[in-house]
Amino acid sequence: DAKTTQPPSMDCAEGRAANLPCNHSTISGNEYVYWYRQIHSQGPQYIIHGLKNNETNEMASLIITEDRKSSTLILPHATLRDTAVYYCIVRVFSGNTPLVFGKGTRLSVIA
Amino acid sequence: NAGVTQTPKFQVLKTGQSMTLQCAQDMNHEYMSWYRQDPGMGLRLIHYSVGAGITDQGEVPNGYNVSRSTTEDFPLRLLSAAPSQTSVYFCASSRPVGISTEAFFGQGTRLTVV
Repeated sequence: DAKTTQPPSMDCAEGRAANLPCNHSTISGNEYVYWYRQIHSQGPQYIIHGLKNNETNEMASLIITEDRKSSTLILPHATLRDTAVYYCIVRVFSGNTPLVFGKGTRLSVIA
Repeated sequence: NAGVTQTPKFQVLKTGQSMTLQCAQDMNHEYMSWYRQDPGMGLRLIHYSVGAGITDQGEVPNGYNVSRSTTEDFPLRLLSAAPSQTSVYFCASSRPVGISTEAFFGQGTRLTVV
């Protein structure tokens, strides 16, 4: 079972920041938060991951609350090409655990 | 760099037929896995492998077989296709967790069983 809860859908105006929430209240101390996205039924694409500190890369920023029970993926300037389903996944950062996907959030970026 | 290659891209089967979905990666990744995605749903794990000769079951393994004789290839076999197996199938590969964080996915095989 997925260990995360995400809203099923969100809209965002083009050029604005898209803030995608994820609840993972049962996260363990050795589990990381990963974000992937899937554009129009293509294979999923890795975005970012983090443990407890905020992370930023060329695609997005990840903000994890201090108690680690929730996080927010931020796309700073959303474009139409960011329209996709975004998956928040918690996973142990060792061993043989595969990625387990939930239903994700369908983000629609509107012109 | 080809990455993860899945063949075929589309397939129509009759109920009861068998077939093999092919997955190959050229990144020397130890981990490979198969997922299925039904319309409007997230990906569900079928089988995965942590290295040549080692496979394990995921959430929905029934009706599927896998083997991993080489690092590069991870074929998925449908033994006797059923309409419930109509889905999009994705193969993924990655380095072991703890070494690399990113999994790479193929473009999918769209399977219809009639």
